Amino acid sequence: GAVVSQHPSRVICKSGTSVKIECRSLDFQATTMFWYRQFPKQSLMLMATSNEGSKATYEQGVEKDKFLINHASLTLSTLTVTSAHPEDSSFYICSARVEQGKNQPQHFGDGTRLSIL
Amino acid sequence: AQTVTQSQPEMSVQEAETVTLSCTYDTSESNYYLFWYKQPPSRQMILVIRQEAYKQQNATENRFSVNFQKAAKSFSLKISDSQLGDTAMYFCAFNFGNEKLTFGTGTRLTIIP
Repeated sequence: GAVVSQHPSRVICKSGTSVKIECRSLDFQATTMFWYRQFPKQSLMLMATSNEGSKATYEQGVEKDKFLINHASLTLSTLTVTSAHPEDSSFYICSARVEQGKNQPQHFGDGTRLSIL
Repeated sequence: AQTVTQSQPEMSVQEAETVTLSCTYDTSESNYYLFWYKQPPSRQMILVIRQEAYKQQNATENRFSVNFQKAAKSFSLKISDSQLGDTAMYFCAFNFGNEKLTFGTGTRLTIIP
């Protein structure tokens, strides 16, 4: 149980295009999902908290107009990187919790490797 | 400010040996939750073990156990009888009084055949 699916696993696109990444909870409902960014050989950096039916909460320094988050249902959150540039190239990972609460672990998707040419 | 520190960027041990990964943190919170995650070369984040700060008993999951020293703000992970499949990045992570996870910088563990 507690499977989180992330798609696509890898995407390569030209500078200036927009890229959408999907995060789905397959066997549970998730009112809250999280989006992280990971640079090579570094830790995970939280970008935003995605809340079903409401606006996402962005971390300091993350451009909300650049990284659009939509959490339209209890099983799906999407991250759209708008007008992507080479500096947006990174590994993006989503996570979700089965239940609310600080003691509940987050379950992670497999990540998306984004390469902007 | 809440911080999480993993002082060992890289470690390597022989297969079947025991290895301990260290993690220290700083917080003014009294109740919080601690986790160890593993990230193998496939990049998927996998929960290894979790501990609740108000519990004195150290958590154990098969070959994985923690040594939680609340007063010292230390949360180490011990891997017994290490296996080749244990090769991965290991991150300690905390929920400090909110819904978000704070991650350490990671330790790259290599199990040598």
